[in-house]
Amino acid sequence: SQQGEEDPQALSIQEGENATMNCSYKTSINNLQWYRQNSGRGLVHLILIRSNEREKHSGRLRVTLDTSKKSSSLLITASRAADTASYFCATDETGANSKLTFGKGITLSVRP
Amino acid sequence: GAGVSQTPSNKVTEKGKYVELRCDPISGHTALYWYRQSLGQGPEFLIYFQGTGAADDSGLPNDRFFAVRPEGSVSTLKIQRTERGDSAVYLCASSFSGERGFSYNEQFFGPGTRLTVL
Repeated sequence: SQQGEEDPQALSIQEGENATMNCSYKTSINNLQWYRQNSGRGLVHLILIRSNEREKHSGRLRVTLDTSKKSSSLLITASRAADTASYFCATDETGANSKLTFGKGITLSVRP
Repeated sequence: GAGVSQTPSNKVTEKGKYVELRCDPISGHTALYWYRQSLGQGPEFLIYFQGTGAADDSGLPNDRFFAVRPEGSVSTLKIQRTERGDSAVYLCASSFSGERGFSYNEQFFGPGTRLTVL
């Protein structure tokens, strides 16, 4: 079963604009991770935020976590055409042996 | 260092055949995970190894699926009597530690094996 629900399902923006993607989940978690996937193959780990953290930055990425609302957002600033990919949030649920539960993903298209 | 590798990258087989998919995790990673991803969906958990033992196999869909990790490194996912519904990308991931409650569970994924059952 899939826990995370990303929103929107698809996003199309112009190069240079910011992209905001949201994820909601249902259970308590140890951490939440965001991944990128190109062409339906390997997943690239972007960022991990722990349940006791509220915000984290990595380069052009900013992730927030609100455990009271069971939601997270991923912001990509100054987007580039190379950011075009599918993005997934994945939760490491408390007591779940560290397996990740993924959402269905968001398709981001960045127009040059 | 080298990342997670998976072989073969593509596998086409006929309904009813047996297949083996291999995963080489990052050296030193004790935890290994198998996931399955169908078209348009996110990956779904199949099985998790901590060392040589399967710590959680709750995601295996039925008894046609089996996985081993005999020496705590390389893992093989085995599918018997394949069905067309088994067609998917099978992803392997490894992490430094998957112990319950350990919050730095960054999982590093391999490129996947695309299985097509005709």
